[in-house]
Amino acid sequence: SAVISQKPSRDICQRGTSLTIQCQVDSQVTMMFWYRQQPGQSLTLIATANQGSEATYESGFVIDKFPISRPNLTFSTLTVSNMSPEDSSIYLCSVDSGFGQGTRLTVV
Amino acid sequence: QQQVKQSPQSLIVQKGGISIINCAYENTAFDYFPWYQQFPGKGPALLIAIRPDVSEKKEGRFTISFNKSAKQFSLHIMDSQPGDSATYFCAASIGSSGSARQLTFGSGTQLTVLP
Repeated sequence: SAVISQKPSRDICQRGTSLTIQCQVDSQVTMMFWYRQQPGQSLTLIATANQGSEATYESGFVIDKFPISRPNLTFSTLTVSNMSPEDSSIYLCSVDSGFGQGTRLTVV
Repeated sequence: QQQVKQSPQSLIVQKGGISIINCAYENTAFDYFPWYQQFPGKGPALLIAIRPDVSEKKEGRFTISFNKSAKQFSLHIMDSQPGDSATYFCAASIGSSGSARQLTFGSGTQLTVLP
């Protein structure tokens, strides 16, 4: 199975700022998925990132808040924009049913 | 996304006992049913998965039982160990291939195995 690496593993950010999370995969894949896991909760799909096309967002998630890039078949970024404390969550990249270790974001 | 319902929310089992976690789904188009184990501070790790053409799959101490007509599936952990203490998530997807699996997750079960 693919090895999925995420950076940063954790961060503490100020309200109103943005954070870009990187996801690197050790093999080429068509689709990469971004999930959010709020504290003590399950995982919710944010969007599907396809190489060469715009990301597809799930209900409740918008591109202005969570812009995604997918420049090639092994890499994607998720930006959490204009952060508020409600954005404090673990953000996870997924490929082929596997997950990265996640990015634990705390917004203060 | 179609819902996947998971129960119980929490489970306490004695060492050596059997842990059973249940999930039910609505969308009959789901064709892949994985279970994940998550330890605090870690991403979910794929534990075992089943497709609806089989009724049971066993890997070591972990077994998935699948009931297509009832739209239910369950995870059984035999001889539960304190190291199994974690949060377990069931999931379901409609995926044409491995890389295209968009997962819908259950709400999770916090398992505690007492020594």
